Amino acid sequence: EPEVTQTPSHQVTQMGQEVILRCVPISNHLYFYWYRQILGQKVEFLVSFYNNEISEKSEIFDDQFSVERPDGSNFTLKIRSTKLEDSAMYFCASSETHSPETRTYNEQFFGPGTRLTVL
Amino acid sequence: AQKITQTQPGMFVQEKEAVTLDCTYDTSDQSYGLFWYKQPSSGEMIFLIYQGSYDEQNATEGRYSLNFQKARKSANLVISASQLGDSAMYFCAMREGSYGSSNTGKLIFGQGTTLQVKP
Repeated sequence: EPEVTQTPSHQVTQMGQEVILRCVPISNHLYFYWYRQILGQKVEFLVSFYNNEISEKSEIFDDQFSVERPDGSNFTLKIRSTKLEDSAMYFCASSETHSPETRTYNEQFFGPGTRLTVL
Repeated sequence: AQKITQTQPGMFVQEKEAVTLDCTYDTSDQSYGLFWYKQPSSGEMIFLIYQGSYDEQNATEGRYSLNFQKARKSANLVISASQLGDSAMYFCAMREGSYGSSNTGKLIFGQGTTLQVKP
């Protein structure tokens, strides 16, 4: 069964450093997302990406964040200058488009996550 | 504004018994989808079940069923015949509207319910 993959599984970085989190969505999917989950808290939407551009971003997604789909398979989240409060689990997700009435159209497949620790 | 509320921070259930996890939502959109995800201690997000707002029948997926009461804006998850492996955090999530230029498909999550299954 196809799956979303994310690398690395765990990233430790110093405050102020840049990090790039990588995701490979399911190949025929067209909508891509990043979410984050601070330890013990709920999952929060960061950004959605469709047709090679950001379609929506949350207030968390400030100028320090950027996303890119550099080729036909990878989807990356970059944090330019990490802060302590960026420590969280970051999930990539993707979904396909079909009839809006079918489950497969609506299901967002999540990757296993990257745990980011900022020291 | 769209909102998901899970009022049970933690629940216990005896193995082999059924358990209901509560979820209420708030939206002004006529078309929306409701999701349940399971997050075990390993951290990944596992899709369990989906209910579309126009679905007349409650969704079922194996031991999982969704008790959808549209007028009350509730979408409770019922797990039948609980197993030890069901111990995890459970998140209810909502997506408003249909995919298109004005809707990005982002999911809004509730705070989650921790379920512990006792042997």
